[in-house]
Amino acid sequence: AQSVAQPEDQVNVAEGNPLTVKCTYSVSGNPYLFWYVQYPNRGLQFLLKYITGDNLVKGSYGFEAEFNKSQTSFHLKKPSALVSDSALYFCAVRDAPTGNQFYFGTGTSLTVIP
Amino acid sequence: EPEVTQTPSHQVTQMGQEVILRCVPISNHLYFYWYRQILGQKVEFLVSFYNNEISEKSEIFDDQFSVERPDGSNFTLKIRSTKLEDSAMYFCASSGDRKNTEAFFGQGTRLTVV
Repeated sequence: AQSVAQPEDQVNVAEGNPLTVKCTYSVSGNPYLFWYVQYPNRGLQFLLKYITGDNLVKGSYGFEAEFNKSQTSFHLKKPSALVSDSALYFCAVRDAPTGNQFYFGTGTSLTVIP
Repeated sequence: EPEVTQTPSHQVTQMGQEVILRCVPISNHLYFYWYRQILGQKVEFLVSFYNNEISEKSEIFDDQFSVERPDGSNFTLKIRSTKLEDSAMYFCASSGDRKNTEAFFGQGTRLTVV
């Protein structure tokens, strides 16, 4: 069965410091991995994805994520956090090539402290 | 930039009533989804729709729910005989014809059952 785990409900980081939001996945085949961000009272906004190729993928707003097959992880990172990065972050996986739906993690609330 | 639009943004209904949530997916997309998010909780998959039929559905998507793509542009979710526990944010999403494409989400409809 496909699943995604986000082990941290809450991550706090000081502005200007690097941030990491963790995600691990479980799929039966090769994964397509995604990160989404949700600001208050808004929909989910796509940040980045890993499909194949380079394990480090870059996305919107300076975010990047590293795919690690041996650890089945896809952690979201940013070198220098901004207060405006404070939001809810969701990791998602789609089981390639047969799966249709996206499986979401439980979300991690990121707070960047000024 | 193309986007998924959902109407209404907020729907209040009495328990036992029927509601229809409407979505206009991105025009050249072929996969359509409904997800829901109960306040403060994870994003839960309801149903996916492809080639004019349901391709996957979750345990949540029981006989109370139905989806329809009546005119080639709209994608609706009907909830019959609403219950208090149906109160949630409902998100529509669409994605392209390849499994490596991300899903684009609408802003959501907040359904409140009273």
